[in-house]
Amino acid sequence: KQEVTQIPAALSVPEGENLVLNCSFTDSAIYNLQWFRQDPGKGLTSLLLIQSSQREQTSGRLNASLDKSSGRSTLYIAASQPGDSATYLCAVRLPTSYDKVIFGPGTSLSVIP
Amino acid sequence: DAGVTQSPTHLIKTRGQQVTLRCSPKSGHDTVSWYQQALGQGPQFIFQYYEEEERQRGNFPDRFSGHQFPNYSSELNVNALLLGDSALYLCASITGLNTEAFFGQGTRLTVV
Repeated sequence: KQEVTQIPAALSVPEGENLVLNCSFTDSAIYNLQWFRQDPGKGLTSLLLIQSSQREQTSGRLNASLDKSSGRSTLYIAASQPGDSATYLCAVRLPTSYDKVIFGPGTSLSVIP
Repeated sequence: DAGVTQSPTHLIKTRGQQVTLRCSPKSGHDTVSWYQQALGQGPQFIFQYYEEEERQRGNFPDRFSGHQFPNYSSELNVNALLLGDSALYLCASITGLNTEAFFGQGTRLTVV
């Protein structure tokens, strides 16, 4: 059974710091991994999608890496800003279940001005 | 492009009642999935609809049912509401394999 965990559960950093969020999954057989951002009480905004054959994806100040063999992904945020404060969720898509996506519990990020 | 739209945004129901939530997928997307997100947790997969049929189902009771219309929009129905059904209900749409999933803003359901 695929399980997704995220460490840390919560993180508070001063503005300008670079930071890393971690995501682990138990079964390396995945189609892809997607990172999302969720503001309080809101829906999910897709940040980055990494296919199973890829090692990393970049978008602006965000960089996500994927190591399928070890079941790990990291989301690197450079030069953090107060507007980055949100919950960050990683999710893996299972190859045997078309669009069944398994989410982690999320990391709550607070960037202090 | 309007993206994925859900209605209503908020809803308060009494225990035992029935509720219907609605979702319009992103333009060109033919597959709709529904998720339940309890406070402080990641979203949990409820079911997925493709070509007007339920294709996948998560670990949810039969009180949760759905429908997809010819225009790919979808409804989630929950019967005999329980207090534990209070959550944010999210709709996601995709088209094809290995593509990005797009989510709506969700419907906040409160059961009292």
